[in-house]
Amino acid sequence: GEDVEQSLFLSVREGDSSVINCTYTDSSSTYLYWYKQEPGAGLQLLTYIFSNMDMKQDQRLTVLLNKKDKHLSLRIADTQTGDSAIYFCAERPGNTPLVFGKGTRLSVIA
Amino acid sequence: DADVTQTPRNRITKTGKRIMLECSQTKGHDRMYWYRQDPGLGLRLIYYSFDVKDINKGEISDGYSVSRQAQAKFSLSLESAIPNQTALYFCAPMGTGCTDTQYFGPGTRLTVL
Repeated sequence: GEDVEQSLFLSVREGDSSVINCTYTDSSSTYLYWYKQEPGAGLQLLTYIFSNMDMKQDQRLTVLLNKKDKHLSLRIADTQTGDSAIYFCAERPGNTPLVFGKGTRLSVIA
Repeated sequence: DADVTQTPRNRITKTGKRIMLECSQTKGHDRMYWYRQDPGLGLRLIYYSFDVKDINKGEISDGYSVSRQAQAKFSLSLESAIPNQTALYFCAPMGTGCTDTQYFGPGTRLTVL
C-alpha cells in the first residue's frame, strides 16, 4: 500500500545544515513534495520535484531524489531559527490524493 | 494560502452537537480535500471531491459528512460530535494539471468537550 515514512524529530544548531529524509512506496509517483508547517498555520508548499529529476535546488533548499531506493531528502543550508517548523514529505501516486508522511519537527538551537 | 478561507478558525463544542466547518477558495480548482491533523499522526484524509457532483470517502470518513455546494465551496459536517474528533482540520484545494499541488487553508481548531 501507499506509505510515506519520515523521522519525527530533528534538532540542529543555527548555521548548520539540516537534512530531512523521507521514503515512499509508490514508484508510479510522478511528483514528490515538501511542505512546511509553522506553529498555528496551515501547510505551505516549499518545493516539489518531478520523478525524472535527481536534484532540485532553490536558494537554501536542495531536494535529492533517489528513485531506485524511493528516497527523498530536503537539505536546508545555513539553518535559521525561522526554519523551525514541521516538514511534511508527500507523494502523488498517479491521479489520487497526495499521501503525506507524519511530518518531521525541526528544532533549531541558537 | 490567502486564497483558501476556512471558518470558523476555532470552535469549542459539546459532545452530541452538530457542527459545520466551511471552506471556500478563489483559486478555481475543481478538486477539494478535507484533512484532519492530530499530533504524531500527521494528516489523514477525511473526504475529497473532484467536482461539484463528485464526493469520495477518504481514510477516516466515519462520523463525518461533506457537501460540495459549488466549485468554490466544500463544507465538512460532524453530525454528532465526539471528543476524539478534537483535532485541527484543513481544507486543501488542488488543480488537475500535472504540476498542480495542494494549497492548504489556515485550519480550524475544533475542540469537542
